[in-house]
Amino acid sequence: DGGITQSPKYLFRKEGQNVTLSCEQNLNHDAMYWYRQDPGQGLRLIYYSQIVNDFQKGDIAEGYSVSREKKESFPLTVTSAQKNPTAFYLCASSMARSNEKLFFGSGTQLSVL
Amino acid sequence: GEDVEQSLFLSVREGDSSVINCTYTDSSSTYLYWYKQEPGAGLQLLTYIFSNMDMKQDQRLTVLLNKKDKHLSLRIADTQTGDSAIYFCAEWAAGNKLTFGGGTRVLVKP
Repeated sequence: DGGITQSPKYLFRKEGQNVTLSCEQNLNHDAMYWYRQDPGQGLRLIYYSQIVNDFQKGDIAEGYSVSREKKESFPLTVTSAQKNPTAFYLCASSMARSNEKLFFGSGTQLSVL
Repeated sequence: GEDVEQSLFLSVREGDSSVINCTYTDSSSTYLYWYKQEPGAGLQLLTYIFSNMDMKQDQRLTVLLNKKDKHLSLRIADTQTGDSAIYFCAEWAAGNKLTFGGGTRVLVKP
């Protein structure tokens, strides 16, 4: 089955620690995205990537980093600089940046210990 | 700048129709979308409408677009308990940016 897989489902971060959220897709999509969702709020774009080895900052990139070494993978690192990391993180992909139909993973809930 | 607004909550009885409303501000919107999110899950694309259309029907779903008033609605006919979820509208506008509303939580009562 084609789709987007995010792992882990739940993640806990200690103060001062960096954590990495995984996102893998086998849809052969060029574009991938990371969104943050806070309770009662819409999705806010953290980073996006249109092609391998290229990525752009979204609206709330501070305290986060990404890489896109392979087409299938777009991991997100939440660094210690992100002071309020508790949120639901959603990864998505689309055929191209100009194709707006996004397919979403099932999300990772990150909490601070 | 872009802004997409939705009401927070909608309660509806099983079998009735649900209407979820959304307003947006960017007149350059090309596509408008409705996504559904069930608890603890990602978003699922339900339907979308191109900005030169004013209505689109897909089985129990009807999307209405009033471009003059920048108003989008999603009507769900014969609402079922499985329709309980959060519904997000989103617009794709100039600058290649997808902007989401805050979501409407729909509760279907038996």
